[in-house]
Amino acid sequence: AQSVTQLDSHVSVSEGTPVLLRCNYSSSYSPSLFWYVQHPNKGLQLLLKYTSAATLVKGINGFEAEFKKSETSFHLTKPSAHMSDAAEYFCVVSDLRTGNQFYFGTGTSLTVIP
Amino acid sequence: DAGVIQSPRHEVTEMGQEVTLRCKPISGHNSLFWYRQTMMRGLELLIYFNNNVPIDDSGMPEDRFSAKMPNASFSTLKIQPSEPRDSAVYFCAGQGGTDTQYFGPGTRLTVL
Repeated sequence: AQSVTQLDSHVSVSEGTPVLLRCNYSSSYSPSLFWYVQHPNKGLQLLLKYTSAATLVKGINGFEAEFKKSETSFHLTKPSAHMSDAAEYFCVVSDLRTGNQFYFGTGTSLTVIP
Repeated sequence: DAGVIQSPRHEVTEMGQEVTLRCKPISGHNSLFWYRQTMMRGLELLIYFNNNVPIDDSGMPEDRFSAKMPNASFSTLKIQPSEPRDSAVYFCAGQGGTDTQYFGPGTRLTVL
């Protein structure tokens, strides 16, 4: 069965400092992993995606994530937070054997302090 | 490309009224998903279609909810009769040749 655990419901960082949003997944097969961002009153926007190519995935807005199979993790990072990064972030797992259905984490709310 | 289009963006209605939410996916995306988002339950998959055929509707909460996809470019989610606990943001998402889903901006439904 597929599932995702986002280890922090809230993360607060100062502007210009690194961001780390943690995600662990459970999947019986080779999963695809995604990070989506949701700004207030907006839809979900794809940040980046892993599909068994390079384990370090670069996304939009300076975000990247590293797939670590041994740790079943897919943590999202950014070297320097910007005020515009304040949003809700969702880690998602899917695999072809379940019809590419998405299994969402509960979300991490990122606050950026000026 | 306009992306996924949902209408209306906001809907306020009274309990007992019929509500119809609409979605136009990106052209060529042959799978379509309807989700509901609330503070209490997060994002829930309600139903999804593949090539206009409903594949899994196990997430539809009650018989008051129904969804159709009459063609590849249009889908509706209907609630009849609506109840206050249906208040939520409803998203649709399309999926094409890859497993990435592209989300619409959502419809914020308030049932009084």
